[in-house]
Amino acid sequence: QVQLVQSEAEMKKPGASVKVSCEASGFTFIGSYIHWVRQAPGQGLEWMGWINPNSGGTKYTQNFQGRVTMTRDTSISTVYMDLNRLRSDDTAVYYCARGVNGDYSWFDRWGQGTLVTVSS
Amino acid sequence: DIVMTQSPDSLAVSLGERATINCKSSQSVLYSSDNKNYLAWYQQKPGQPPKVLIYWASTRESGVPDRFSGSGSGTDFTLTISSLQAEDVAVYYCQQYSTTPRTFGQGTKLQIK
Repeated sequence: QVQLVQSEAEMKKPGASVKVSCEASGFTFIGSYIHWVRQAPGQGLEWMGWINPNSGGTKYTQNFQGRVTMTRDTSISTVYMDLNRLRSDDTAVYYCARGVNGDYSWFDRWGQGTLVTVSS
Repeated sequence: DIVMTQSPDSLAVSLGERATINCKSSQSVLYSSDNKNYLAWYQQKPGQPPKVLIYWASTRESGVPDRFSGSGSGTDFTLTISSLQAEDVAVYYCQQYSTTPRTFGQGTKLQIK
Protein backbone atom coordinates (compact mmCIF):
# COMPACT_ATOMS: atom_id res chain seq x y z
CA GLN A 1 0.00 0.00 0.00
CA VAL A 2 1.05 3.61 -0.47
CA GLN A 3 3.09 4.75 2.51
CA LEU A 4 5.22 7.67 3.54
CA VAL A 5 7.30 6.92 6.63
CA GLN A 6 9.09 9.78 8.33
CA SER A 7 12.06 9.93 10.67
CA GLU A 8 11.77 10.16 14.42
CA ALA A 9 11.25 13.25 16.55
CA GLU A 10 14.14 15.69 16.98
CA MET A 11 15.12 18.16 19.65
CA LYS A 12 17.36 21.04 18.57
CA LYS A 13 18.81 24.22 19.95
CA PRO A 14 18.15 27.62 18.39
CA GLY A 15 20.48 28.26 15.47
CA ALA A 16 20.96 24.58 14.70
CA SER A 17 19.74 22.62 11.66
CA VAL A 18 17.41 19.65 11.33
CA LYS A 19 17.03 17.09 8.55
CA VAL A 20 13.77 15.16 8.32
CA SER A 21 13.44 12.16 6.03
CA CYS A 22 10.40 10.72 4.28
CA GLU A 23 10.63 7.23 2.77
CA ALA A 24 8.09 6.34 0.10
CA SER A 25 6.78 2.89 -0.71
CA GLY A 26 3.91 1.31 -2.60
CA PHE A 27 4.02 3.70 -5.56
CA THR A 28 6.36 4.95 -8.27
CA PHE A 29 8.61 7.31 -6.34
CA ILE A 30 9.57 9.47 -9.31
CA GLY A 31 5.96 9.74 -10.43
CA SER A 32 4.63 12.11 -7.77
CA TYR A 33 5.69 15.38 -6.23
CA ILE A 34 6.37 15.35 -2.50
CA HIS A 35 5.30 18.38 -0.48
CA TRP A 36 6.23 19.43 3.04
CA VAL A 37 3.65 20.94 5.39
CA ARG A 38 4.18 21.93 8.99
CA GLN A 39 1.85 22.43 11.93
CA ALA A 40 2.84 24.33 15.06
CA PRO A 41 1.30 23.09 18.33
CA GLY A 42 -2.43 23.77 18.36
CA GLN A 43 -2.19 25.68 15.07
CA GLY A 44 -3.18 25.22 11.43
CA LEU A 45 -1.33 23.86 8.42
CA GLU A 46 1.48 25.74 6.66
CA TRP A 47 2.83 24.64 3.28
CA MET A 48 6.61 24.83 2.93
CA GLY A 49 7.33 23.66 -0.60
CA TRP A 50 7.71 20.68 -2.89
CA ILE A 51 10.30 18.52 -4.54
CA ASN A 52 9.94 16.68 -7.81
CA PRO A 53 11.69 13.35 -7.10
CA ASN A 54 12.17 12.74 -10.81
CA SER A 55 14.14 15.89 -11.64
CA GLY A 56 15.15 17.02 -8.16
CA GLY A 57 13.50 20.35 -8.91
CA THR A 58 12.12 22.27 -5.96
CA LYS A 59 9.86 25.17 -5.10
CA TYR A 60 9.75 26.79 -1.69
CA THR A 61 7.42 29.30 -0.15
CA GLN A 62 8.91 32.75 0.38
CA ASN A 63 8.62 32.34 4.16
CA PHE A 64 11.37 29.69 4.13
CA GLN A 65 13.54 30.89 1.27
CA GLY A 66 17.17 30.59 2.21
CA ARG A 67 16.49 28.36 5.21
CA VAL A 68 14.97 25.25 3.69
CA THR A 69 16.43 22.72 1.28
CA MET A 70 14.58 19.69 -0.10
CA THR A 71 16.53 16.84 -1.65
CA ARG A 72 15.95 13.27 -2.68
CA ASP A 73 17.74 9.96 -3.00
CA THR A 74 16.03 7.95 -5.70
CA SER A 75 18.02 4.80 -4.86
CA ILE A 76 16.16 4.51 -1.56
CA SER A 77 12.93 6.35 -2.49
CA THR A 78 13.51 8.97 0.17
CA VAL A 79 13.13 12.72 0.27
CA TYR A 80 14.68 15.01 2.84
CA MET A 81 13.78 18.38 4.25
CA ASP A 82 16.61 20.42 5.76
CA LEU A 83 15.74 23.48 7.81
CA ASN A 84 18.56 25.62 9.20
CA ARG A 85 18.96 28.57 11.56
CA LEU A 86 16.21 27.09 13.69
CA ARG A 87 14.16 29.36 15.93
CA SER A 88 11.76 28.53 18.73
CA ASP A 89 8.81 29.24 16.45
CA ASP A 90 9.98 26.44 14.14
CA THR A 91 8.74 24.02 16.80
CA ALA A 92 6.12 22.03 14.91
CA VAL A 93 5.12 18.70 13.46
CA TYR A 94 6.54 18.42 9.96
CA TYR A 95 4.65 16.31 7.44
CA CYS A 96 5.56 15.06 4.00
CA ALA A 97 2.63 14.52 1.66
CA ARG A 98 2.20 13.17 -1.84
CA GLY A 99 0.84 15.33 -4.61
CA VAL A 100 -0.70 12.69 -6.80
CA ASN A 101 -1.59 14.97 -9.71
CA GLY A 102 1.73 16.62 -10.51
CA ASP A 103 2.71 20.03 -9.25
CA TYR A 104 -0.81 21.44 -8.83
CA SER A 105 -2.32 18.70 -6.75
CA TRP A 106 -4.15 17.91 -3.58
CA PHE A 107 -2.30 15.72 -1.06
CA ASP A 108 -3.65 12.20 -1.05
CA ARG A 109 -1.18 10.50 1.30
CA TRP A 110 0.63 11.92 4.30
CA GLY A 111 3.50 10.77 6.43
CA GLN A 112 2.89 10.24 10.13
CA GLY A 113 4.62 13.50 11.00
CA THR A 114 7.91 14.35 12.70
CA LEU A 115 7.91 16.57 15.78
CA VAL A 116 10.78 19.03 15.79
CA THR A 117 11.25 20.86 19.07
CA VAL A 118 13.52 23.90 19.18
CA SER A 119 14.51 24.93 22.66
CA SER A 120 17.57 26.15 24.51
CA ASP B 1 -0.85 34.83 -1.77
CA ILE B 2 -4.39 33.49 -1.82
CA VAL B 3 -5.99 33.80 1.61
CA MET B 4 -8.44 31.05 2.54
CA THR B 5 -11.02 31.99 5.15
CA GLN B 6 -13.24 29.37 6.75
CA SER B 7 -16.44 29.88 8.68
CA PRO B 8 -17.33 29.19 11.35
CA ASP B 9 -14.18 28.60 13.42
CA SER B 10 -16.06 26.00 15.44
CA LEU B 11 -19.32 24.20 15.09
CA ALA B 12 -21.43 21.91 17.30
CA VAL B 13 -24.00 19.70 15.61
CA SER B 14 -26.25 16.94 16.92
CA LEU B 15 -25.68 13.37 15.82
CA GLY B 16 -27.58 12.66 12.62
CA GLU B 17 -27.91 16.34 11.74
CA ARG B 18 -26.29 18.24 8.87
CA ALA B 19 -22.99 20.07 9.30
CA THR B 20 -21.92 22.80 6.87
CA ILE B 21 -18.49 24.43 6.70
CA ASN B 22 -17.73 27.32 4.38
CA CYS B 23 -14.50 28.36 2.73
CA LYS B 24 -13.84 31.58 0.85
CA SER B 25 -10.73 32.29 -1.20
CA SER B 26 -9.38 35.81 -1.75
CA GLN B 27 -9.18 35.13 -5.49
CA SER B 28 -10.72 32.59 -7.78
CA VAL B 29 -9.27 29.07 -7.80
CA LEU B 30 -11.21 28.16 -10.95
CA TYR B 31 -9.02 27.73 -13.99
CA SER B 32 -10.73 28.42 -17.29
CA SER B 33 -8.25 26.21 -19.16
CA ASP B 34 -9.69 23.06 -17.62
CA ASN B 35 -12.80 24.44 -15.86
CA LYS B 36 -11.67 22.94 -12.56
CA ASN B 37 -11.65 24.40 -9.09
CA TYR B 38 -8.29 23.73 -7.43
CA LEU B 39 -9.78 23.26 -3.97
CA ALA B 40 -9.49 20.36 -1.51
CA TRP B 41 -10.97 19.54 1.88
CA TYR B 42 -9.13 17.65 4.64
CA GLN B 43 -10.15 16.11 7.93
CA GLN B 44 -7.68 15.99 10.82
CA LYS B 45 -8.25 14.06 14.01
CA PRO B 46 -6.08 14.61 17.11
CA GLY B 47 -2.61 13.12 16.81
CA GLN B 48 -3.12 12.18 13.15
CA PRO B 49 -2.06 13.69 9.85
CA PRO B 50 -4.74 15.28 7.69
CA LYS B 51 -6.76 13.04 5.41
CA VAL B 52 -8.13 14.24 2.09
CA LEU B 53 -11.90 14.06 1.75
CA ILE B 54 -12.66 16.07 -1.39
CA TYR B 55 -10.58 17.41 -4.29
CA TRP B 56 -11.47 19.45 -7.40
CA ALA B 57 -13.99 21.03 -4.97
CA SER B 58 -16.52 18.22 -5.33
CA THR B 59 -14.78 14.91 -6.12
CA ARG B 60 -14.91 12.54 -3.18
CA GLU B 61 -11.69 10.64 -2.44
CA SER B 62 -11.97 6.87 -2.74
CA GLY B 63 -13.18 5.32 0.53
CA VAL B 64 -14.67 8.52 1.92
CA PRO B 65 -18.28 8.01 3.07
CA ASP B 66 -20.89 9.55 0.81
CA ARG B 67 -22.26 11.67 3.64
CA PHE B 68 -19.34 14.00 2.83
CA SER B 69 -19.87 16.29 -0.15
CA GLY B 70 -18.24 19.40 -1.54
CA SER B 71 -19.72 22.18 -3.61
CA GLY B 72 -19.02 25.67 -4.87
CA SER B 73 -16.97 27.37 -7.53
CA GLY B 74 -14.67 30.34 -8.03
CA THR B 75 -14.19 31.78 -4.56
CA ASP B 76 -16.93 30.23 -2.44
CA PHE B 77 -17.01 26.62 -1.34
CA THR B 78 -18.87 24.40 1.09
CA LEU B 79 -18.20 21.08 2.78
CA THR B 80 -21.36 19.33 3.90
CA ILE B 81 -21.72 16.33 6.16
CA SER B 82 -25.26 15.17 5.58
CA SER B 83 -25.74 13.16 8.77
CA LEU B 84 -23.13 13.68 11.45
CA GLN B 85 -21.56 10.59 12.98
CA ALA B 86 -19.50 10.47 16.18
CA GLU B 87 -16.35 9.62 14.22
CA ASP B 88 -16.66 12.89 12.26
CA VAL B 89 -15.47 14.94 15.24
CA ALA B 90 -12.32 16.58 13.86
CA VAL B 91 -10.85 19.77 12.49
CA TYR B 92 -11.59 20.43 8.83
CA TYR B 93 -9.38 22.44 6.49
CA CYS B 94 -9.87 23.73 2.99
CA GLN B 95 -6.82 24.21 0.77
CA GLN B 96 -6.19 25.78 -2.60
CA TYR B 97 -3.63 24.19 -4.90
CA SER B 98 -3.96 26.56 -7.84
CA THR B 99 -1.05 28.86 -7.03
CA THR B 100 2.16 28.99 -5.06
CA PRO B 101 2.22 29.12 -2.14
CA ARG B 102 -0.45 26.52 -1.49
CA THR B 103 -2.57 27.87 1.32
CA PHE B 104 -4.96 26.42 3.86
CA GLY B 105 -7.92 27.81 5.72
CA GLN B 106 -7.48 28.32 9.43
CA GLY B 107 -9.54 25.22 10.23
CA THR B 108 -13.04 24.55 11.58
CA LYS B 109 -13.42 22.47 14.71
CA LEU B 110 -16.47 20.22 14.52
CA GLN B 111 -17.95 18.81 17.72
CA ILE B 112 -21.06 16.97 18.83
CA LYS B 113 -23.81 19.02 20.43
